[in-house]
Parts: sequence; C-alpha cells; structure tokens
Amino acid sequence: EPEVTQTPSHQVTQMGQEVILRCVPISNHLYFYWYRQILGQKVEFLVSFYNNEISEKSEIFDDQFSVERPDGSNFTLKIRSTKLEDSAMYFCASREDSGNTIYFGEGSWLTVV
Amino acid sequence: SQQGEEDPQALSIQEGENATMNCSYKTSINNLQWYRQNSGRGLVHLILIRSNEREKHSGRLRVTLDTSKKSSSLLITASRAADTASYFCATVQIQGAQKLVFGQGTRLTINP
Repeated sequence: EPEVTQTPSHQVTQMGQEVILRCVPISNHLYFYWYRQILGQKVEFLVSFYNNEISEKSEIFDDQFSVERPDGSNFTLKIRSTKLEDSAMYFCASREDSGNTIYFGEGSWLTVV
Repeated sequence: SQQGEEDPQALSIQEGENATMNCSYKTSINNLQWYRQNSGRGLVHLILIRSNEREKHSGRLRVTLDTSKKSSSLLITASRAADTASYFCATVQIQGAQKLVFGQGTRLTINP
C-alpha cells in the first residue's frame, strides 16, 4: 500500500542551526501538509501546500519556516534557525483530492539542544 | 477556532470489553477522521465519516456523527491489548485548505 515516507526519523541539532526535513508524499496526491506534535501535546497544523504554493499556514509557521517541492516527488520543511521550542515530532501528510483521507508519515523527531 | 475535543482524556479497560471515545467540535465540517497513534509513532488513519453520514463501520470500529450536536464517537468492540494507543479525532472544514484540526486525544489502555 502506498505510504508517505519521511527522513530523517530522528535528528539532533544545535540551537541556531538550519534543519531540513524531507517527505515523499503518495505519488498521485495533490495536497501536502506539515504538522508538528510537541511531546505530550496535540498535533498542530503548520502549513498546507497545493499547486506549488502555500494555501494556508498557521501562526506557528513564521518566517523561520519554509516549504518547498523541489521536484516531482519530494516535499521539504526547512527551519532556518532552530530554537529549543522547535523540538517536536514533525509529520508530513498528503491527500489525493478534496474531502479525502489525509495520510500521515511516521514523523521526524527533531531535538534541538 | 474550530477544535476537536475528545473525552475521556484517558480510558483503561479490560481486554474484551468495548471502548467508547467521544469527540466534540465547534464549527461546520466537511468530514471527521479518526486516527490512532502508538507511542512515539505516526498517525494511522482509522476511518473517515462525511458530514452527510451518521454512522460507519470498519471491522471492530464503529463511528457515529451527530452534526446537530457537533459530536462524534468511536467505538472499539471486543478490545485487544494491541488496541492500546492514543486516539484522535480531527475535523476538516468546508472552506479553505481542508486541513485537519486535531483534538487532544484519548489515551486508551487495554489491560490483559
């Protein structure tokens, strides 16, 4: 069964460093998302992406964050200068079309030290 | 803002019993989806129910939706130890990017 894949599964980074989290959405999907989950808390929406542009973003998604679809398969989340409070599990998700199931990857656990 | 809220926050039952988790939300929705998350793992999609549907079944899962009360329930029948996980409801609005808005989740523990 097709699945959303994410790399790395776990990354430890120094505060202030740049981090890129990578995702390969399901191949025929058109809508892409990033969510995050701080340990013990609920899953929070960061950004949605459709037709090569951001369609919606939350207030969490400030200027430190950016997303890119550099080719036909990858979807990346970049954090320019990480802070301690960016430590979280980051989930990529995708869906085929409007009103359909949204499928999640296994997540990338980011630890900022 | 729209928000799914589950209750109870934690539920502990014996294997073989049924588990019921509830979810409430605040605004009009396109659909509502239930997910399971094992500790430290990804979100596994369980079931999607559309706003014009009232009940859906999938194996041992039964989901109901009451749009007049803005609430949904997830019933797991004949629970197993492997059902131990956190369960989240997430709503999708009618407008916009159709992002999921998650609740806090219910931590379900099945005791053998």
